[in-house]
Amino acid sequence: EVQLVESGGVVVQPGGSLRLSCTASGFTFDDYTMHWVRQAPGKGLEWVSLISGDGGSAFYADSVRGRFTISRDNSKNSLYLQMNSLRTEDTALYYCAKAIGITLLYYAMDVWGQGTTVTVSS
Amino acid sequence: DIVMTQSPDSLAVSLGERATINCKSSQSVLYSSNNRNYLAWYQQKPRQPPKLLIYWASTRESGVPDRFSGSGSGTDFTLTISSLQAEDVAVYYCHQYYSTPLTFGGGTKVEIK
Repeated sequence: EVQLVESGGVVVQPGGSLRLSCTASGFTFDDYTMHWVRQAPGKGLEWVSLISGDGGSAFYADSVRGRFTISRDNSKNSLYLQMNSLRTEDTALYYCAKAIGITLLYYAMDVWGQGTTVTVSS
Repeated sequence: DIVMTQSPDSLAVSLGERATINCKSSQSVLYSSNNRNYLAWYQQKPRQPPKLLIYWASTRESGVPDRFSGSGSGTDFTLTISSLQAEDVAVYYCHQYYSTPLTFGGGTKVEIK
């Protein structure tokens, strides 16, 4: 079964740092582009970042560029999101998601985890 | 950035009736080299992650009931639920993956009338 499990979400103070993890199983992890998508309480979906299967390409939303860093360890089937200089507006449920295809960089996301909650509050 | 605008924000449809959701992108998401529209639709039920319904604007994801269909090209797209079932109550999002930053529409809440 293809599965993604996020972890690492906690309550953190503004200006703090946090690293989220996503552990994948059931597919050849290094074949696929992976994403982080977040959802603030009661709001819609916001794409955060993506990383290519080999880790050589990464892209970010303007709202997080320079503060967040996406990475992956293909030997551990794991995806990460290092979050620095956190702001209250970063409070959200953070999902990791898998791209549906392997040939192109940009695909729809066919498998999503259950999410991990990040709360930025003093 | 490509802005995705969905309409309506919400709609109430009787069981068995058709539901239609529209999505407009601020620029074309049709990639000329492969003639594919980089447009997907997701369904999100309360306290669940999004579920992929449609990709490449009209390709139904495996296991998705055939009452769900996607159409459109370029900048204008539609998700149609041909005969609304109780389990279809959810928020639906369109999503462009043509270029970064990837973007989502604001969502359309579908309820039973």
